[in-house]
Amino acid sequence: DVKVTQSSRYLVKRTGEKVFLECVQDMDHENMFWYRQDPGLGLRLIYFSYDVKMKEKGDIPEGYSVSREKKERFSLILESASTNQTSMYLCASRRDRGTNNNSPLHFGNGTRLTVT
Amino acid sequence: GENVEQHPSTLSVQEGDSAVIKCTYSDSASNYFPWYKQELGKRPQLIIDIRSNVGEKKDQRIAVTLNKTAKHFSLHITETQPEDSAVYFCAATKLYSSASKIIFGSGTRLSIRP
Repeated sequence: DVKVTQSSRYLVKRTGEKVFLECVQDMDHENMFWYRQDPGLGLRLIYFSYDVKMKEKGDIPEGYSVSREKKERFSLILESASTNQTSMYLCASRRDRGTNNNSPLHFGNGTRLTVT
Repeated sequence: GENVEQHPSTLSVQEGDSAVIKCTYSDSASNYFPWYKQELGKRPQLIIDIRSNVGEKKDQRIAVTLNKTAKHFSLHITETQPEDSAVYFCAATKLYSSASKIIFGSGTRLSIRP
């Protein structure tokens, strides 16, 4: 069974702090994603990566950056945390089957970040 | 870019009745439409998906229909049961692209009344 592990379940940070959210998957998946989940807004894509050192902006990348130095790890970085970044953050991964990729997303348990 | 709209945001049905959730998408190049279910406190999980070359797909009590011309797709749950209570998300993406986004709708909170 695919395992996507997010390093923290709950996190409280102060405004202006630099925050790292870590995600590790154990199934050698090529694609990894970071979403934030807010009531009434669903899952919004922040960034995704389709290979090591490759990254693509999602729909709401402002205020965030990412790092993919190793295939199994995808980090989300909040350079200077703000209160409007208080949210549930979900990491996901999936296998890239080339031109026919309908493999499902596998989600982590999420990190609930509160910025005070 | 792709935009996915989902309706309704909340839905309450009597146990045993059917539930329908509808989504529309904007990018006509999207060709793969998965549905995810998220139970309270848990991670989203895939429940059914459909490709654009198929108009309907069924798996026991759940089915998905796709209208490419109108760019909308729907989830149908028949004979609803208490364990169907959850938040459901539709999504759209493009196959045949190694760097394709997966864009989700805003979610539908389904409640099953006993």
